[in-house]
Amino acid sequence: AQTVTQSQPEMSVQEAETVTLSCTYDTSESDYYLFWYKQPPSRQMILVIRQEAYKQQNATENRFSVNFQKAAKSFSLKISDSQLGDAAMYFCAYRSAERSQGAQKLVFGQGTRLTINP
Amino acid sequence: KAGVTQTPRYLIKTRGQQVTLSCSPISGHRSVSWYQQTPGQGLQFLFEYFSETQRNKGNFPGRFSGRQFSNSRSEMNVSTLELGDSALYLCASSLGYLRSYNSPLHFGNGTRLTVT
Repeated sequence: AQTVTQSQPEMSVQEAETVTLSCTYDTSESDYYLFWYKQPPSRQMILVIRQEAYKQQNATENRFSVNFQKAAKSFSLKISDSQLGDAAMYFCAYRSAERSQGAQKLVFGQGTRLTINP
Repeated sequence: KAGVTQTPRYLIKTRGQQVTLSCSPISGHRSVSWYQQTPGQGLQFLFEYFSETQRNKGNFPGRFSGRQFSNSRSEMNVSTLELGDSALYLCASSLGYLRSYNSPLHFGNGTRLTVT
C-alpha cells in the first residue's frame, strides 16, 4: 500500500517570503500522480498543483512550484512571495495511475498548517 | 459553473442512529468519491462511484455505504452511528474514467457530522 508522509505539522513564514513544504511517499508503482491540496477554514479542498510521475519537468503554477525527486520519492511544494491568503492546511496526496485502483482514490499525508505572518 | 454541493453542512446525531449525506457533483462529472477527515486519522478514502457502480472501496466497516444515481448525484449512509464516526465528510467529483481518467478531483465544502 502507498503511504504519504508530511513531516512538518506546522510552518510559518513572513508575508512576501518563500516557504517550502516537505512531502515524501512510498510506492512500488512506477506511474502515478502527485498533488498538493490546500484546505482553508472554509473546509473546501482546493487543488494547488499536480505532477505526473512520468514527467521529469517540475510543475509550476504561478507562485507555486514543486521539486519532484522520483528516485528519492520526494515531492516538496515551494510557495514564493507568500500572501496572507495562502494561510491554510496543505495536504500532499498520491494517486495511482493503475485504473484498477480507481480514478479518485487519493492517499493523503497528515497535512502541514501554514501560517503567514504580516 | 456550480461546484460540488454537499448537504447538509452540519449534522448532529445520537449513537445508534443512522445518517444520510448528499453530494451533487459538478455538472458533467460522472465520478464521485467520499472521504472521511478526522484529526486522528486524517483524510481517508471511503468509496468511489462511476455510472452508478461502486468502483473502489476503502477500509471501512459495512456500516458505511453509498450509492450513485443516474444523474451522478451520490449519497452516503452510515448506520448504527458510533462516537468515532464524528468527522468531516468530503465529497469529490471528476470527469471520471472515460476521456479524462486523470482529471483532477474537485471537492465540496463537506458535511460536519457530530455523534453524541
